[in-house]
Amino acid sequence: EVQLVESGGGLIQPGGSLRLSCAASGFIVTTNSMSWVRQAPGKGLEWVSLIDGDGSTYFADSVKGRFTISRDISKNILYLQLSSLRVEDTAVYFCARERVNAAAMECYVDLWGRGTLLTVSS
Amino acid sequence: SSELTQDPAVSVALGQTVRITCQGDSLRFYYASWYQQKPGQAPVLIIYGKNNRPSGIPDRFSGSSSGDTASLTITGAQAEDEADYYCNCRASNNYRVFGGGTKLTVL
Repeated sequence: EVQLVESGGGLIQPGGSLRLSCAASGFIVTTNSMSWVRQAPGKGLEWVSLIDGDGSTYFADSVKGRFTISRDISKNILYLQLSSLRVEDTAVYFCARERVNAAAMECYVDLWGRGTLLTVSS
Repeated sequence: SSELTQDPAVSVALGQTVRITCQGDSLRFYYASWYQQKPGQAPVLIIYGKNNRPSGIPDRFSGSSSGDTASLTITGAQAEDEADYYCNCRASNNYRVFGGGTKLTVL
């Protein structure tokens, strides 16, 4: 079955660090663009970070310099390393597989995980 | 600008047609994709590209685009269509951006 399963969320104090994981099955993460998207309680979706199939990485301005994205080829897992956490980082973090077809001007997420909740609070 | 703007809320009478719009400069270069999200659930892709529906998405959902504006149309809205709808696009710097979301109420 093709799916994404996130883990690693929880309660952490401001200034702390945490690593989120996204285990993929049914496909290989390194051959796809993969994103992290978050959703604060009662708020909309916010794109956080992307890693291209070739390994290039991109970050939203709100997390640049604090978050890193990586993937483990052997385990087929996507990671999001979060540091210098702030209260405003509290959100459900979704892992997402993206499809890009530049010639057709298409870019979309065709597979989402169920999300993992991160709460940053003292 | 890499922002996408959506109306916060829209309502439609049961069985009627509703259009949800998304505006932003990024839409001049890439088609929007559209997602439906119900409370406590992950988003679900409903429209991508020029006007493509993934398998299992009812044909009452359709998409269109003109200039810097993308639209999602629901023709014959059903009670189960009540949800939040988000547009998404690739920005010029290869970032991604989501619209603020539109809460659809089916009356």
